[in-house]
Amino acid sequence: AQTVTQSQPEMSVQEAETVTLSCTYDTSESDYYLFWYKQPPSRQMILVIRQEAYKQQNATENRFSVNFQKAAKSFSLKISDSQLGDAAMYFCAYRIIQGAQKLVFGQGTRLTINP
Amino acid sequence: DAMVIQNPRYQVTQFGKPVTLSCSQTLNHNVMYWYQQKSSQAPKLLFHYYDKDFNNEADTPDNFQSRRPNTSFCFLDIRSPGLGDAAMYLCATSGDYNTDTQYFGPGTRLTVL
Repeated sequence: AQTVTQSQPEMSVQEAETVTLSCTYDTSESDYYLFWYKQPPSRQMILVIRQEAYKQQNATENRFSVNFQKAAKSFSLKISDSQLGDAAMYFCAYRIIQGAQKLVFGQGTRLTINP
Repeated sequence: DAMVIQNPRYQVTQFGKPVTLSCSQTLNHNVMYWYQQKSSQAPKLLFHYYDKDFNNEADTPDNFQSRRPNTSFCFLDIRSPGLGDAAMYLCATSGDYNTDTQYFGPGTRLTVL
């Protein structure tokens, strides 16, 4: 069975600095998607960034980028120039490419931004 | 704006009293999902619909049922809520199985007294 592990329950960072959230996963599949979702307090979950496993190039979305290490089954999220609005619970998630889109989530990392 | 809407945002029910949570979407997506998210835990998929085809997760309790009368609406029915069913219930949609993004609603927080 696929599992996703986020080893950092909580992280904090000073505003304008850079922070990296860790995620590892376990799968026997060769093709899959990986995601980072953001869930602000009392607000809906939104997609931050996604990575296709068959792409070697790391995905980037503005201040958000990932470090995807397929062999190590590692998928970390880097947030540059942290802003107060980045404060949220961040979930790493996995799903296989074919078939039902079951997302398997990690336990989440609560990110606090210190002004 | 196209979106996923969940009503109510907060629901209080009594132990054993049936409750229904609602999800609607204006995205015209084929797939609708229900997740359960307990406090400080990851969301866990309960079931999903692809059009009218219902797909239950193996470990979803029989106490949880779902209905999808049309493309836009999907309901989660909890027949006899227990204290352990108190959670945030998230609805999500996606265009198709091969579309890689799920769009989430704001969730309904269920309290069981």
